[in-house]
Amino acid sequence: NAGVTQTPKFQVLKTGQSMTLQCAQDMNHNSMYWYRQDPGMGLRLIYYSASEGTTDKGEVPNGYNVSRLNKREFSLRLESAAPSQTSVYFCASSEGRNQPQHFGDGTRLSIL
Amino acid sequence: AQSVTQLGSHVSVSEGALVLLRCNYSSSVPPYLFWYVQYPNQGLQLLLKYTTGATLVKGINGFEAEFKKSETSFHLTKPSAHMSDAAEYFCAVSDRDGTASKLTFGTGTRLQVTL
Repeated sequence: NAGVTQTPKFQVLKTGQSMTLQCAQDMNHNSMYWYRQDPGMGLRLIYYSASEGTTDKGEVPNGYNVSRLNKREFSLRLESAAPSQTSVYFCASSEGRNQPQHFGDGTRLSIL
Repeated sequence: AQSVTQLGSHVSVSEGALVLLRCNYSSSVPPYLFWYVQYPNQGLQLLLKYTTGATLVKGINGFEAEFKKSETSFHLTKPSAHMSDAAEYFCAVSDRDGTASKLTFGTGTRLQVTL
């Protein structure tokens, strides 16, 4: 009964380092999403995948790449981390169009 | 583009008092609307959703929200606050197009409940 699982939960990087955030869901959902949460700004969509094999940019895609590895897994990659990418990252999934999203517990990422 | 406005970044109520968290949306067509709650160091949990039909929507933990098209509002209420309601609440809107459930979130309202 895991739902959406994100790894790691915490990470500290140095500027310029690369990193991949992992997300997996066990609800057989078609769509998956990556958000970042910053104080006073709510959640902003980085990338999403409407279905396996497709990915699209969200509101704030610059500096990020994604891979929909299979129906269960959707990863987010920072190629060259910058301090402005310090944030809490949430992965979510949904059955599809206009269905509620189910969220993981987040990855807290600090970039020095 | 859609947008969501949550009035009041912080709301404080006494235990047992009415909770009212405000949400207004901007959309060219009636959207799907959601309220989520976030407890410290956790992800977001769905409280309730409006898609079509009855405009008064009941959710978990005694919360409800009313969709008012004429006011473009979807305010969240609870008759009697409990200490366990202290959390951050997010209103979100999803448009009716596309194949995914892309959500636009408000900036959140932190609810404090005092004795």
